[in-house]
Amino acid sequence: AQSVSQHNHHVILSEAASLELGCNYSYGGTVNLFWYVQYPGQHLQLLLKYFSGDPLVKGIKGFEAEFIKSKFSFNLRKPSVQWSDTAEYFCAVTRSGGYQKVTFGIGTKLQVIP
Amino acid sequence: SAVISQKPSRDICQRGTSLTIQCQVDSQVTMMFWYRQQPGQSLTLIATANQGSEATYESGFVIDKFPISRPNLTFSTLTVSNMSPEDSSIYLCSVRQGEMNTEAFFGQGTRLTVV
Repeated sequence: AQSVSQHNHHVILSEAASLELGCNYSYGGTVNLFWYVQYPGQHLQLLLKYFSGDPLVKGIKGFEAEFIKSKFSFNLRKPSVQWSDTAEYFCAVTRSGGYQKVTFGIGTKLQVIP
Repeated sequence: SAVISQKPSRDICQRGTSLTIQCQVDSQVTMMFWYRQQPGQSLTLIATANQGSEATYESGFVIDKFPISRPNLTFSTLTVSNMSPEDSSIYLCSVRQGEMNTEAFFGQGTRLTVV
């Protein structure tokens, strides 16, 4: 079964700082990868996704993630965070093909200080 | 995209009772999923609900504790039965609209506290 590891459980940054959240998955086959975000009081929503093609994926609000197959990683980055990025971020993976379940990481709480 | 409505948004229940959570989707979907998010933990899949067939439960979850109904392609319910404080959690409904290369959409969740 696949699993997802997120290395940073709680990150505190000042506004304009750069962000990188680590995500590693364990599954040897072809995968689909996702980052979800949950803003305070809101439901989970998709930030970006990777299915195939260019391993550098750009999402909403200036976020991007890079799929490195050899490292089984899909790290999330943003060059300059804003206070409004304060949220919890979840990395997720599914196997490709058919209706596959989504496996989530434990989540990273990001707090951006003005 | 899919818009998912969950009811109730939160509840406080007595131990030993049951709570049924409803999930309504604004479009027809084949697969609906129920997750649990316990404090400080990740989202854990409880079961996959297929219309017209029995739900498929993940390891550690059983139908007697978490019975699921899926009467049509836009609606599902999850019941948390004979509740104990350990069942206090956020329960989330999720859907995927296509078979290949699609993301999951989530309801706002039901925050359950068992006292």
